Amino acid sequence: AQSVTQPDARVTVSEGASLQLRCKYSYSATPYLFWYVQYPRQGLQLLLKYYSGDPVVQGVNSFEAEFSKSNSSFHLQKASVHWSDSAVYFCALSMENNNAPRFGAGTKLSVKP
Amino acid sequence: GALVYQYPRRTICKSGTSMRMECQAVGFQATSVAWYRQSPQKTFELIALSTVNSAIKYEQNFTQEKFPISHPNLSFSSMTVLNAYLEDRGLYLCGARDPERLFFGHGTKLSVL
Repeated sequence: AQSVTQPDARVTVSEGASLQLRCKYSYSATPYLFWYVQYPRQGLQLLLKYYSGDPVVQGVNSFEAEFSKSNSSFHLQKASVHWSDSAVYFCALSMENNNAPRFGAGTKLSVKP
Repeated sequence: GALVYQYPRRTICKSGTSMRMECQAVGFQATSVAWYRQSPQKTFELIALSTVNSAIKYEQNFTQEKFPISHPNLSFSSMTVLNAYLEDRGLYLCGARDPERLFFGHGTKLSVL
């Protein structure tokens, strides 16, 4: 069975600081991996996705994520956060490209001004 | 561009009554539609995946008897929450997929009195 774990329910950082949101997955093959963001009172927006190729994936708003097969991880990173990045971030996994992704529990990011 | 509209955006129903929500794909053909529920303070749980010309696949803890889904064509899907109770409240999200990408709507927020 496949699963996604986001070990940090809440993360607080200061504006301008670097950010890493952790995501671990469990799946026997190489999955499709995604990061989504949910801003307050809104739906989901795709930040980036990975299936194959370069393990470092660039996304919107200067976010990037690095896939590690050895660590079964897909951590999200940003060099310098802005207060507007405050939101809930979800890591998701899909077994195939046409399957519905399964979501982790989410990490609520708060950026202090 | 490709968009997914969900309506209503917000709805309130009395406990024990039913609520139908709709999902419209605009600008692409939705070969599959996934319905999710985000209960308060929780992640997105996959309810079911509907693929055109295939049976609708429900996840564990969700049934057709409780969440009947219609997917009559490549641009429209609807789901009904039958006999809604307090535990059914939350944000119901529709994800519509063409062969390459998955697009999410803004969701239907269901409150149950």
